[in-house]
Amino acid sequence: RKEVEQDPGPFNVPEGATVAFNCTYSNSASQSFFWYRQDCRKEPKLLMSVYSSGNEDGRFTAQLNRASQYISLLIRDSKLSDSATYLCVVNFYNDMRFGAGTRLTVKP
Amino acid sequence: EAQVTQNPRYLITVTGKKLTVTCSQNMNHEYMSWYRQDPGLGLRQIYYSMNVEVTDKGDVPEGYKVSRKEKRNFPLILESPSPNQTSLYFCASRSSGETQYFGPGTRLLVL
Repeated sequence: RKEVEQDPGPFNVPEGATVAFNCTYSNSASQSFFWYRQDCRKEPKLLMSVYSSGNEDGRFTAQLNRASQYISLLIRDSKLSDSATYLCVVNFYNDMRFGAGTRLTVKP
Repeated sequence: EAQVTQNPRYLITVTGKKLTVTCSQNMNHEYMSWYRQDPGLGLRQIYYSMNVEVTDKGDVPEGYKVSRKEKRNFPLILESPSPNQTSLYFCASRSSGETQYFGPGTRLLVL
């Protein structure tokens, strides 16, 4: 079993749609969690951290469920510019583990 | 501007010809890492360094070497590249906080 697993994707959605990605992790002692965004042929960049109580940044909402060991990312009112690959990242004592990523394409 | 730089950005080489990919950060970060990214496998850590002269193996260290003689630089060395090292390579750095900053990537093709 992979340490960090994400929805296989790809997700193809129309503009304005709401889309959700899930990510599961195997190490129950993991300490911190993140979502990164990666555009085609570019480096990953931090989208948002994921806090235990859940957190929101504009159209993006991240949730953490420690009991079930998964995190989620919800994107509301999708824009064309949201098209990218979204990487789930789990940290355990400075050992950061990346999921393989989920590709999102938002179409007009 | 805070950044991580890598050079070269693109490289085509032949099996067995030693190469070095440089990485430099200007944020005074303690932690630096090298990753390779392959389709369907995500980012896999090759080596990491927690500070000057402190390096350790990641998940896929075979065929690679690193050094950390200065805080800002963390070069990746392929002593004898092979075709299975064809990949997209990213250098990253962070402070004791957790946000990782990635370099722009190096696309390597080994023939």
